[in-house]
Amino acid sequence: GIQVEQSPPDLILQEGANSTLRCNFSDSVNNLQWFHQNPWGQLINLFYIPSGTKQNGRLSATTVATERYSLLYISSSQTTDSGVYFCAVEQGDKIIFGKGTRLHILP
Amino acid sequence: ETGVTQSPTHLIKTRGQQVTLRCSSQSGHNTVSWYQQALGQGPQFIFQYYREEENGRGNFPPRFSGLQFPNYSSELNVNALELDDSALYLCASSRTSGRGQFFGPGTRLTVL
Repeated sequence: GIQVEQSPPDLILQEGANSTLRCNFSDSVNNLQWFHQNPWGQLINLFYIPSGTKQNGRLSATTVATERYSLLYISSSQTTDSGVYFCAVEQGDKIIFGKGTRLHILP
Repeated sequence: ETGVTQSPTHLIKTRGQQVTLRCSSQSGHNTVSWYQQALGQGPQFIFQYYREEENGRGNFPPRFSGLQFPNYSSELNVNALELDDSALYLCASSRTSGRGQFFGPGTRLTVL
């Protein structure tokens, strides 16, 4: 089946820094989403981005479907950005999550 | 617009018992998906329901079953609970027209 790999697995940054999270997938997909899971377990929908580039405030995402990867950019990090970031792809009737990137922003 | 809700929030069961978890989809959404998330792992897709029919299934045994009701709410049933079933169970709803999935807060199940 399709493989979804996220990198880096862990990232520690100082408040105010910028970061890039990557999601690689091994086959063509119908859809791709990025989520932020907060410390209480709630998954927050960040972007629905099967292709192209989108921006929402300090966050932006780019998916290059032909090259099978997506990037999530976080600028001017805040401590509230801490948590785990997941990408999830949809292929046929299945939805597969990566293992996530754990981001810790230091004050 | 009402978001996705799940009940109960927490649940403790013993091995061999059966459990039912409930999910109400976001208004305007007709598809519901269920996921199991073990500690430190990404969510694993269990199955998806659309128009009261199972519309896709991950690698979970038949003792994981579900229902979707005419109002698009859903239930996840797990029979013969095992210790490894201890996890956060997440429900997500979506529209068939796309735009992505929206998750509920989850039910944390502990099997002793």
